[in-house]
Amino acid sequence: GAGVSQTPSNKVTEKGKYVELRCDPISGHTALYWYRQSLGQGPEFLIYFQGTGAADDSGLPNDRFFAVRPEGSVSTLKIQRTERGDSAVYLCASSLAFGGGHNEQFFGPGTRLTVL
Amino acid sequence: AQSVAQPEDQVNVAEGNPLTVKCTYSVSGNPYLFWYVQYPNRGLQFLLKYITGDNLVKGSYGFEAEFNKSQTSFHLKKPSALVSDSALYFCAVREPPYNQGGKLIFGQGTELSVKP
Repeated sequence: GAGVSQTPSNKVTEKGKYVELRCDPISGHTALYWYRQSLGQGPEFLIYFQGTGAADDSGLPNDRFFAVRPEGSVSTLKIQRTERGDSAVYLCASSLAFGGGHNEQFFGPGTRLTVL
Repeated sequence: AQSVAQPEDQVNVAEGNPLTVKCTYSVSGNPYLFWYVQYPNRGLQFLLKYITGDNLVKGSYGFEAEFNKSQTSFHLKKPSALVSDSALYFCAVREPPYNQGGKLIFGQGTELSVKP
């Protein structure tokens, strides 16, 4: 079946610009997560949604970062006034309802963001 | 705070030999532990997880992992390595409380290289 998809696969932008990254989770997965992976590092948690609501946004680095999931399926990560330090691979994952917390997360291929 | 450590940046193994990729964790309470693999230009793929029960967990592609509570370790193992196992491996711990979502904390990753 279809896995998690992310678009675009690559995004190059200039410092100060606004970008949107899209994630389409596995059908039926109510939990959706965003992570950021810098070169040579493990993924770092940004935010997760249960349905339409952001249940935990403690990983968002500052108020330039925002994410939405208006219909409980597709999610968009939005970054305002991009900085060179935002350059990384942004990963999206989804899982079945978290009750118990043991469900594995399925990851998309990521969006590589480069801020010049 | 919860954390995961992968003490080896790189592991080199000859094809056919057993392999071990090390992981230690620090978490309050009983841990939920995961291993993921990342191939070049591809997303993270779930290998296996420990939630409760038997300390030896079997997963995909012939991998297994041993949970050791006294040593706070969750090492990944395979009896006979294949060249195709060469990839980046991540250990992750699920952050409690377990009734509040699936945020994962990842280690830095270990690059496994299997030579013919």
